[in-house]
Amino acid sequence: AQSVTQPDIHITVSEGASLELRCNYSYGATPYLFWYVQSPGQGLQLLLKYFSGDTLVQGIKGFEAEFKRSQSSFNLRKPSVHWSDAAEYFCAVGVRGNEKLTFGTGTRLTIIP
Amino acid sequence: ETGVTQSPTHLIKTRGQQVTLRCSSQSGHNTVSWYQQALGQGPQFIFQYYREEENGRGNFPPRFSGLQFPNYSSELNVNALELDDSALYLCASTRRDSTDTQYFGPGTRLTVL
Repeated sequence: AQSVTQPDIHITVSEGASLELRCNYSYGATPYLFWYVQSPGQGLQLLLKYFSGDTLVQGIKGFEAEFKRSQSSFNLRKPSVHWSDAAEYFCAVGVRGNEKLTFGTGTRLTIIP
Repeated sequence: ETGVTQSPTHLIKTRGQQVTLRCSSQSGHNTVSWYQQALGQGPQFIFQYYREEENGRGNFPPRFSGLQFPNYSSELNVNALELDDSALYLCASTRRDSTDTQYFGPGTRLTVL
């Protein structure tokens, strides 16, 4: 069975600073990997996804993620955060591509001025 | 705006009651999945429906059941509600066997007293 670990429960970053959120997965086959963002009281919005090909994936809102098979990781990065990036971030692994997602427990991002 | 809608937005029930949550998929999507997100946790996969049949289930008891209709709208039914069923329930739609994004609705917040 697949699993996802997000080791950081809460991260605080200054506005304009760089950001990296960690994600490690466990899955026996080729992983389909996702990052979602959730603002308070909202549903999930897809930031980016990795199915195959280039291991550096570009997403919306200036986010990118790099798939590293040797480390079973799919870390999310952003060079300069904005106050509007404050939210909960979830990493997920999918079976058959975009279906039956297994999510991590999330990382709450706080932005300070 | 994902094109996936859910109703109601909020719901309060008492232990032992039954509840029905509704989801309207994005146009052209033939697969719908339901997730339970407890407070402070990542979403957990409940089950998925494709062509009106259940197509995979997570670790949830039979009192969680669902329906998918020919117009691809869907229902989640929960019988004999327990306090631990209090959560945000999310539905997500996509096209099966595609690399299309899985779009999430805004969720229904269920409180069981």
